[in-house]
Amino acid sequence: GNSVTQMEGPVTLSEEAFLTINCTYTATGYPSLFWYVQYPGEGLQLLLKATKADDKGSNKGFEATYRKETTSFHLEKGSVQVSDSAVYFCALSDEGGTSYGKLTFGQGTILTVHP
Amino acid sequence: GAVVSQHPSRVICKSGTSVKIECRSLDFQATTMFWYRQFPKQSLMLMATSNEGSKATYEQGVEKDKFLINHASLTLSTLTVTSAHPEDSSFYICSASTRYEQYFGPGTRLTVT
Repeated sequence: GNSVTQMEGPVTLSEEAFLTINCTYTATGYPSLFWYVQYPGEGLQLLLKATKADDKGSNKGFEATYRKETTSFHLEKGSVQVSDSAVYFCALSDEGGTSYGKLTFGQGTILTVHP
Repeated sequence: GAVVSQHPSRVICKSGTSVKIECRSLDFQATTMFWYRQFPKQSLMLMATSNEGSKATYEQGVEKDKFLINHASLTLSTLTVTSAHPEDSSFYICSASTRYEQYFGPGTRLTVT
């Protein structure tokens, strides 16, 4: 079956530091990959996605590249802000490039950014 | 953007009682709604998928008689935890899908004493 593994947190950084959160997956076929973010007290929000190998998803300064050869989708940001403090979830779906169907999630990584 | 609400946000109930959690899509009609359960420091685990007017489809290992799901309309789904026990204490999250994207509610913290 499908599975997603994220680096364990929590991750604590100073403002303007470089961020990497690792994500690897196991899936049959060619899944679509997603990063979701959950701010305190709010629901998960789609941050970015990639639907095929070598695609790069990007949003709000965050990027992730779909690497089929290493089955990875690592999240990166060059300079984090305090407002980026949240929980980040990597996820996959094997239902055709959208996030509307069943999602398999990683365990989430708590990010805290200090001023 | 699309908003999904859950009510209540927190609930404490006694062992043996039942509790109902509502999930509403506020500004769109959802073709499908999902219910997830999240344990501390663990990922979201899909419990069931529901479509309006149809019986819910439960994931393997989820007791359908214990976790009753009703999808009464295109904007409302409810999860009832029947005869709750302390091991049912968890964070329950719903989501609602259009044809293109899935939108998540803020979650409900259930504590069974």
